[in-house]
Amino acid sequence: GEDVEQSLFLSVREGDSSVINCTYTDSSSTYLYWYKQEPGAGLQLLTYIFSNMDMKQDQRLTVLLNKKDKHLSLRIADTQTGDSAIYFCAEGYGGATNKLIFGTGTLLAVQP
Amino acid sequence: NAGVTQTPKFRILKIGQSMTLQCAQDMNHNYMYWYRQDPGMGLKLIYYSVGAGITDKGEVPNGYNVSRSTTEDFPLRLELAAPSQTSVYFCASSYGLVGGYQETQYFGPGTRLLVL
Repeated sequence: GEDVEQSLFLSVREGDSSVINCTYTDSSSTYLYWYKQEPGAGLQLLTYIFSNMDMKQDQRLTVLLNKKDKHLSLRIADTQTGDSAIYFCAEGYGGATNKLIFGTGTLLAVQP
Repeated sequence: NAGVTQTPKFRILKIGQSMTLQCAQDMNHNYMYWYRQDPGMGLKLIYYSVGAGITDKGEVPNGYNVSRSTTEDFPLRLELAAPSQTSVYFCASSYGLVGGYQETQYFGPGTRLLVL
């Protein structure tokens, strides 16, 4: 079955770049997503990438997709303390219904 | 737009009690979803709906029921609460397929449920 894996924790210093990694198993996924969850809050869509793209950049965020290795990464440039949160990657499957499979989430801790 | 709203924000239930988690969206989305998030885990899909009157099971539907009588509302019902249903429940909605592209899902703030 489908599975999405992420490392549980990442700690960086303010101003450094953060790279959060994700691996997935379903090669038929059309879209891959990154969501951010702040403490006590719901999920906020950060960005997504279509499966026929290798890279997408959106301000401080860069998404890289290696479809051959089924590897997705999210790079946050100039990480700030406000970026501290849990980051979930998710793959979209199920055709028109757009059901999502989520990873376990990576807790990003930004130290001043 | 209020987006996706959920009530209550939190609830404590005793084993065997029942309750309904409310979810509403004002974006005229056809697709709605219920997820649960257990501590330290990703989200698991419970049920989803592709339009009023149409619902289907997700990965973890046991112990839950849903209905979709209107486009706006998608309540989740727990009939006999069990400790294993202690979780945070998120509702989401999306347009679904638009012009051949899948639209993203928008999430509500969540309902925290504790079953003792």
